[in-house]
Amino acid sequence: KQEVTQIPAALSVPEGENLVLNCSFTDSAIYNLQWFRQDPGKGLTSLLLIQSSQREQTSGRLNASLDKSSGRSTLYIAASQPGDSATYLCAATMDSNYQLIWGAGTKLIIKP
Amino acid sequence: DGGITQSPKYLFRKEGQNVTLSCEQNLNHDAMYWYRQDPGQGLRLIYYSQIVNDFQKGDIAEGYSVSREKKESFPLTVTSAQKNPTAFYLCASSLGDGNEQFFGPGTRLTVL
Repeated sequence: KQEVTQIPAALSVPEGENLVLNCSFTDSAIYNLQWFRQDPGKGLTSLLLIQSSQREQTSGRLNASLDKSSGRSTLYIAASQPGDSATYLCAATMDSNYQLIWGAGTKLIIKP
Repeated sequence: DGGITQSPKYLFRKEGQNVTLSCEQNLNHDAMYWYRQDPGQGLRLIYYSQIVNDFQKGDIAEGYSVSREKKESFPLTVTSAQKNPTAFYLCASSLGDGNEQFFGPGTRLTVL
């Protein structure tokens, strides 16, 4: 059974730092992996989607990587800003049925 | 503006009542999904629909029902059989299985 884990559950860093959020999965038979952002009390905003054949995707200050063999994906945020404060969730789409398996998220706080 | 709308934003239910949550999309997406989010947990799939007039149960369908009479609409009914319905409910849509999912703003349901 696929399990997706995000560690740590919470992270606080000073503004301007580069940081990495982690997402690990137990079953490498994934179709793609998605990263989302959620602000308190709001819906989810899709940030990046990496297909299983890809190694990384970039959007602005965000870079997501995927290593199927090690069961890991990372979200790199460059030059962090207070506006980046949110909960970041990853979800793995399974090859077998295209269902998304979700991590519990990492709550990120950027201190001014 | 293209997107997904959910209403109401907040909903209160008394014991024994059925309530219906609305989800509408104008993205011309075939697939629509309902998720439940509880604090500290990943999203859990309630129901999904890949095409009009067809839908499938997700991981936690007991106590919920849906319909898909129109491509744009996928309402979720929380029945009195759902014993612990207090949660944040998120609707999403995509072009189809395995494609990027886009989310609405969510409905917070509280049982009084």
